[in-house]
Amino acid sequence: NAGVMQNPRHLVRRRGQEARLRCSPMKGHSHVYWYRQLPEEGLKFMVYLQKENIIDESGMPKERFSAEFPKEGPSILRIQQVVRGDSAAYFCASSPPLAGGNNEQFFGPGTRLTVL
Amino acid sequence: KQEVTQIPAALSVPEGENLVLNCSFTDSAIYNLQWFRQDPGKGLTSLLLIQSSQREQTSGRLNASLDKSSGRSTLYIAASQPGDSATYLCAVWHTGFQKLVFGTGTRLLVSP
Repeated sequence: NAGVMQNPRHLVRRRGQEARLRCSPMKGHSHVYWYRQLPEEGLKFMVYLQKENIIDESGMPKERFSAEFPKEGPSILRIQQVVRGDSAAYFCASSPPLAGGNNEQFFGPGTRLTVL
Repeated sequence: KQEVTQIPAALSVPEGENLVLNCSFTDSAIYNLQWFRQDPGKGLTSLLLIQSSQREQTSGRLNASLDKSSGRSTLYIAASQPGDSATYLCAVWHTGFQKLVFGTGTRLLVSP
């Protein structure tokens, strides 16, 4: 059973371009979470999705950022018109359907975005 | 609002020492608490997961305890080795919210 997969592992964009980060959850996991780690800071929650639904996007910046988890295919975190402040490591995690608190989020290796 | 604090921010010890990393959280309404390891420029490696009903978990030289009522957890590392050098992150799954809240980590350096 492959773990959580993210690609690309490293992404370089110039200011104003778009960045697309992909996350494939573990097999059997229907819940996906995105976290961002700015340089020298801790991980901060961005968004929680289930298939075809955004459940909690309270950590997403109001502009330029969007996320989706379609019925088929990976979850996508999209950043439009990137700025230097978007440079960070973006981690995806997945979990099985939640039940009774016995849950764990499994993390992917992350995508490191550098904006020039 | 749940806040997670880790002390110390950095720790340097000689090889072989036993050490304790501390994590505190402000709201005791949690599903579980998890300790991770992160190497520079790398992803997260899950070390130990403690459910809210549990008091501790052990894996090899690692032992994590949880005192939910006081909002504290400790990660005990026995007989430290240079390979243990990394940043250790504590995270809580806050009840009613489907997200982990992370501390800012303790950067550990174990010298040979």
